[in-house]
Amino acid sequence: DTGVSQDPRHKITKRGQNVTFRCDPISEHNRLYWYRQTLGQGPEFLTYFQNEAQLEKSRLLSDRFSAERPKGSFSTLEIQRTEQGDSAMYLCAGENGQPTNYGYTFGSGTRLTVV
Amino acid sequence: GEDVEQSLFLSVREGDSSVINCTYTDSSSTYLYWYKQEPGAGLQLLTYIFSNMDMKQDQRLTVLLNKKDKHLSLRIADTQTGDSAIYFCAGGTDSWGKLQFGAGTQVVVTP
Repeated sequence: DTGVSQDPRHKITKRGQNVTFRCDPISEHNRLYWYRQTLGQGPEFLTYFQNEAQLEKSRLLSDRFSAERPKGSFSTLEIQRTEQGDSAMYLCAGENGQPTNYGYTFGSGTRLTVV
Repeated sequence: GEDVEQSLFLSVREGDSSVINCTYTDSSSTYLYWYKQEPGAGLQLLTYIFSNMDMKQDQRLTVLLNKKDKHLSLRIADTQTGDSAIYFCAGGTDSWGKLQFGAGTQVVVTP
C-alpha cells in the first residue's frame, strides 16, 4: 500500500463513452499529479494541482479531458467521448515537497482499455 | 522541454552488479530521480540526486551524475531476482514539480 489509492484498477469502455477515474492521495500531499503511461513508454505529464488549484495542463490534455480536485484532497480525471488512443495506464502521484521527502508517491494506476 | 533517454533492456546474473544508464538534455535539470516499476504496479521511488552532487549511495544503490555529459547512472550491487523490473530515470527543474521520464530500462535477473 503506497498510501495513494486509485479507483478503479481496470476499466474497459466502448469508444465514445465517458469515463471517470478517482485518486485519493494522503493528507500531506499538497500537490497531486496525473500522468499517462502507454505500453513501453515512461509516464507523460498531464496535469497537476496544488491543493485545489489546477496549476498546469499539458498539451496532451485535449478538451475531452478534465480534472478536478475540489477540496484539495481527492481528485478525479474524466475523459469524454473516449477514443482508442486513450487506452493507457493513468497514474496519479502525490507530493508534499518537504526536503526530507522528495519525490512522488504513485498510486497503482487505472488501466483504461477503449474497445 | 527535456528529453530523457535510456537503454531499453539489461540482462544480469543474480549476484552481479547492474548498471542502468540515462542521458538527459536539459541542463537546468536540478533534481534527478530513479523509479522502479513492477508488472501491473505504479512507480516506486528508489532514490534521487541533486545536480550539485556527483554521487549518492543508499544501501545497494549507487547513483552517479556526470553533469558535463548530462549522464546519470544507477548501480545495483548484488542484484537479486526481486530487482527484475523496469527502471525509469526522471528529471525536474524544481525541488518539486512535474518530471520528464525516460522510456524505462527493463532489467531481467537470471539465476
